[in-house]
Amino acid sequence: GENVEQHPSTLSVQEGDSAVIKCTYSDSASNYFPWYKQELGKRPQLIIDIRSNVGEKKDQRIAVTLNKTAKHFSLHITETQPEDSAVYFCAAVGWNTGFQKLVFGTGTRLLVSP
Amino acid sequence: GAVVSQHPSWVICKSGTSVKIECRSLDFQATTMFWYRQFPKQSLMLMATSNEGSKATYEQGVEKDKFLINHASLTLSTLTVTSAHPEDSSFYICSARDRGSVGELFFGEGSRLTVL
Repeated sequence: GENVEQHPSTLSVQEGDSAVIKCTYSDSASNYFPWYKQELGKRPQLIIDIRSNVGEKKDQRIAVTLNKTAKHFSLHITETQPEDSAVYFCAAVGWNTGFQKLVFGTGTRLLVSP
Repeated sequence: GAVVSQHPSWVICKSGTSVKIECRSLDFQATTMFWYRQFPKQSLMLMATSNEGSKATYEQGVEKDKFLINHASLTLSTLTVTSAHPEDSSFYICSARDRGSVGELFFGEGSRLTVL
């Protein structure tokens, strides 16, 4: 089945700096890669996603890049703000008996210091 | 966006009792819902895939007799933790996908279970 690895586990940056989180996946059949932001005790919130037919997608300060050949994708946050502090999860769709199910990475705790 | 409602948000129970958690899609139909468990400072681990009108598909290592899943309609799935023990204490989150779309999952608010 699908296996998703995520690095780093923790990331501390100063306000205004950029943050990059990287993930790799194992199943070459995966075709959908979302990123979620989760604040303490709350549900994960989708912040950006990318499908396998594109290599990059951007939404204001957030961008995601995908390298299908290498099977890795990355989240880029520019001009970080303290409210960006949270745990971020990448995920990939693994196919299982005809149903799609998301497999999550281990998470990255981002801390943005003022 | 689509809304998934989960209830209860918090539950505390005694060891040996059973607890039911509900997951509802409020404005869309979901033929498939997913149940995740999340321990503190860890990732979301898929427990099972809930299929409307048929049996759930459990992930390896998840006891189907302990975590009973029922998906009786296109908008409701329930997870029952039977004979709960302290090690079952966790954050349980459901998610659903609009059957008319491909990709985005919508998550419920999560249910924090504490077994004394």
